[in-house]
Amino acid sequence: DIVMTQTPLSLSVTPGQPASISCKSSQSLLHSDGKTYLYWYLQKPGQSPHLLIYEVSRQVSGVSERFSGSGSGTDFALHISRVEPEDVGIYYCMQGKHLPLTFGGGTKVEIK
Amino acid sequence: EVQLAESGGGLIETGRSLRLSCTTSGFTFSDYAMSWFRQAPGRGLEWVGFTRSRAYNETTEYAASVKGRFFISRDDSKSIAFLQMNSLKREDTGVYFCTRGITGTRYWGQGTQVIVSS
Repeated sequence: DIVMTQTPLSLSVTPGQPASISCKSSQSLLHSDGKTYLYWYLQKPGQSPHLLIYEVSRQVSGVSERFSGSGSGTDFALHISRVEPEDVGIYYCMQGKHLPLTFGGGTKVEIK
Repeated sequence: EVQLAESGGGLIETGRSLRLSCTTSGFTFSDYAMSWFRQAPGRGLEWVGFTRSRAYNETTEYAASVKGRFFISRDDSKSIAFLQMNSLKREDTGVYFCTRGITGTRYWGQGTQVIVSS
């Protein structure tokens, strides 16, 4: 199974400041079709997860442009350019290259 | 508008069976694979399995932790996906979510809670 390792476990951010979350996979997520199957989700308290970024850096329609993704191969990151109070929750990376689909352990983002 | 709604959760004894439903609307159900994920209390997300669409013979895939006990099916005429859970264990406790598609899906239900207790 592909192991997804997220850091940090938690993040406390001042509103308006940037934040980044790292996600490392135990195997390359680059598929032979040229796509890299790495996704970022945010789960707000009491809600189901919602998709922020797909295929490493592709923006999801309707998601704030403050969210961006970067990386390749096995090292990835989610960036929030200016954290806002509504960004609190747990962020998960997920790989979709191999079954079983696997998630990182999550990064809890709080506002200072 | 795409909508998914899980139902059928509840409190169940270990070893018993439970069937969850995922009722959908707002899209052509038969065109899409349907997946199930779960989240144990205070824990992260775990993939459970999925059923492909009829175009792919409705074949299924499962996580090792549920293989042989859980079965995913679909009724395209009613736009509903099912998760049949047999021989339930305490570690199956959690919120179960259905989603449209397999990876990178933006459409999730609100979840239904399953509590397995002896």
